[in-house]
Amino acid sequence: EPEVTQTPSHQVTQMGQEVILRCVPISNHLYFYWYRQILGQKVEFLVSFYNNEISEKSEIFDDQFSVERPDGSNFTLKIRSTKLEDSAMYFCASSEGISYNEQFFGPGTRLTVL
Amino acid sequence: DAKTTQPTSMDCAEGRAANLPCNHSTISGNEYVYWYRQIHSQGPQYIIHGLKNNETNEMASLIITEDRKSSTLILPHATLRDTAVYYCIVRPKSGSSNTGKLIFGQGTTLQVKP
Repeated sequence: EPEVTQTPSHQVTQMGQEVILRCVPISNHLYFYWYRQILGQKVEFLVSFYNNEISEKSEIFDDQFSVERPDGSNFTLKIRSTKLEDSAMYFCASSEGISYNEQFFGPGTRLTVL
Repeated sequence: DAKTTQPTSMDCAEGRAANLPCNHSTISGNEYVYWYRQIHSQGPQYIIHGLKNNETNEMASLIITEDRKSSTLILPHATLRDTAVYYCIVRPKSGSSNTGKLIFGQGTTLQVKP
């Protein structure tokens, strides 16, 4: 069964450093998403991406965040200068369509900012 | 986005049916009801969705009231592996406001007990 994969599974970084979280969505999917979950809190939407551009972003997704689909398979989330409060689980998701299609989530990357 | 209300937690005996309620009294005619679950910090997993008719798949059944203001997710024979947080989410079917994002609430923590 096809699945969304994410690397690394755990990333530890120093405050102020740049991190890139990587995701490989399911191959025939066209819509891509990033969500995050701070420990003990709910899953929060960050950004949706379609046709090589952002279709929606939340207020969390400020200028420190960017997304890119550098090739036909990867989908990345970059945090330019990490803050302590960026520590969270980051989930990538993809879907074939948008209106009534399920989103498939990856296993997540746990980001720890020290 | 329509707001959903779910009980914070529920228990269920292994092998019995688990019935998880959700209120979505402000749902509009253009919005689907989706259910996802999250098993211990893993990525959320799609379960089922519906518009107004009852739906069934290999995982669960979804019963939507005639006025669409509430729904119930039914796991017919709960197992220990069904212990998870269950999220009821409404999202638009189509339209320019539909970017596919999922808005997660706190969900219902279902504990299946032996």
